[in-house]
Amino acid sequence: GAVVSQHPSRVICKSGTSVKIECRSLDFQATTMFWYRQFPKQSLMLMATSNEGSKATYEQGVEKDKFLINHASLTLSTLTVTSAHPEDSSFYICSAYNTASSYEQYFGPGTRLTVT
Amino acid sequence: GDSVTQMEGPVTLSEEAFLTINCTYTATGYPSLFWYVQYPGEGLQLLLKATKADDKGSNKGFEATYRKETTSFHLEKGSVQVSDSAVYFCALRGKAAGNKLTFGGGTRVLVKP
Repeated sequence: GAVVSQHPSRVICKSGTSVKIECRSLDFQATTMFWYRQFPKQSLMLMATSNEGSKATYEQGVEKDKFLINHASLTLSTLTVTSAHPEDSSFYICSAYNTASSYEQYFGPGTRLTVT
Repeated sequence: GDSVTQMEGPVTLSEEAFLTINCTYTATGYPSLFWYVQYPGEGLQLLLKATKADDKGSNKGFEATYRKETTSFHLEKGSVQVSDSAVYFCALRGKAAGNKLTFGGGTRVLVKP
């Protein structure tokens, strides 16, 4: 149990376009999901906390107008990178918070975004 | 604020060698402590955890003990395999952090046959 999926696993887009990444909790309800960004050979940087039915809480330094987060249901959160630029190229990972499992966070497999 | 410091890698070992990855933390109160493993091109998987002082987390031959007196949570495995090659992240979840995880920088481990 406690599987989190992400789609797509890899995406290449042109500079100036927008890209949507989906994060789904497959077998549990997640009132809270987290979005992370990971640069090559570095640790995870928390971007924002996504709460079902309310606005996301962004970490300091993360542009909320650039990284749009929507958590419309208890099993789905989306991250949209708007007007993407090459510096947005990164590995994006989501995690879902399972309140039925000691508040364990379960991580998705990640999405590799490349902006050309 | 909360922080996690872990030894930098890469750590290169031969198969069946003993592995230790040091992790120390700074946090108010008594956080929960975690080790996550990330295989190439994948997300993170929980390896083990400990929620209170002196707890020992263990999984797949890996162990780590929550040491409050030294604020440490070192990861150990007695005999590594090539399949243990991955990046290992130490993390904590503080009581006042809204259940957010704070990660260390990660330690890359390479096990050679």
